[in-house]
Amino acid sequence: GAGVSQSPSNKVTEKGKDVELRCDPISGHTALYWYRQSLGQGLEFLIYFQGNSAPDKSGLPSDRFSAERTGGSVSTLTIQRTQQEDSAVYLCASSPAGRDYNEQFFGPGTRLTVL
Amino acid sequence: AQSVSQHNHHVILSEAASLELGCNYSYGGTVNLFWYVQYPGQHLQLLLKYFSGDPLVKGIKGFEAEFIKSKFSFNLRKPSVQWSDTAEYFCAVKSPSNTGKLIFGQGTTLQVKP
Repeated sequence: GAGVSQSPSNKVTEKGKDVELRCDPISGHTALYWYRQSLGQGLEFLIYFQGNSAPDKSGLPSDRFSAERTGGSVSTLTIQRTQQEDSAVYLCASSPAGRDYNEQFFGPGTRLTVL
Repeated sequence: AQSVSQHNHHVILSEAASLELGCNYSYGGTVNLFWYVQYPGQHLQLLLKYFSGDPLVKGIKGFEAEFIKSKFSFNLRKPSVQWSDTAEYFCAVKSPSNTGKLIFGQGTTLQVKP
């Protein structure tokens, strides 16, 4: 079946611009996670959705970062006024449930480059 | 705070050599542990996981890992590596919070020379 998909696969933007990154989880998966993979920082958790609500936003690095999920499915991560330190690969993962499920399924990521 | 440490950042091996990648975590309670692999140009995928029971866990492609509670370790092993094992390997622990988020180590890049 279809896996987690993310778009765009690559995004190059200028410093100060806003960007939106999209994640389509596996159908029926109620839990959705965003992570960021950057040089020197490894893989860092950003935000967790259960359904449309986000009970854990503790990993968002600043108030320039926000995310929403609609219809219990698609999620959008928005970065406002991008900075060069935002350059990274943004990964989305989904699972059938949150804390009680054994595996998260990852998408291919969006590589964001801020010039 | 919970953390995961991978000791080797870059490992270079010849084919047929044995592999052991170190992973230590900081949490003292019940843990769920994972190894993920990212092959060049591909998604992160699960290699193996430990939740409970037998501390020696077998995963895909001949990989195994041993959970040693007293050492807070979950090292990944493979008796004989192949060129196709060239990839980045991540150890992770599931947060004990109510979210199930994963806390990852820094990753180890494995290069296998043919």
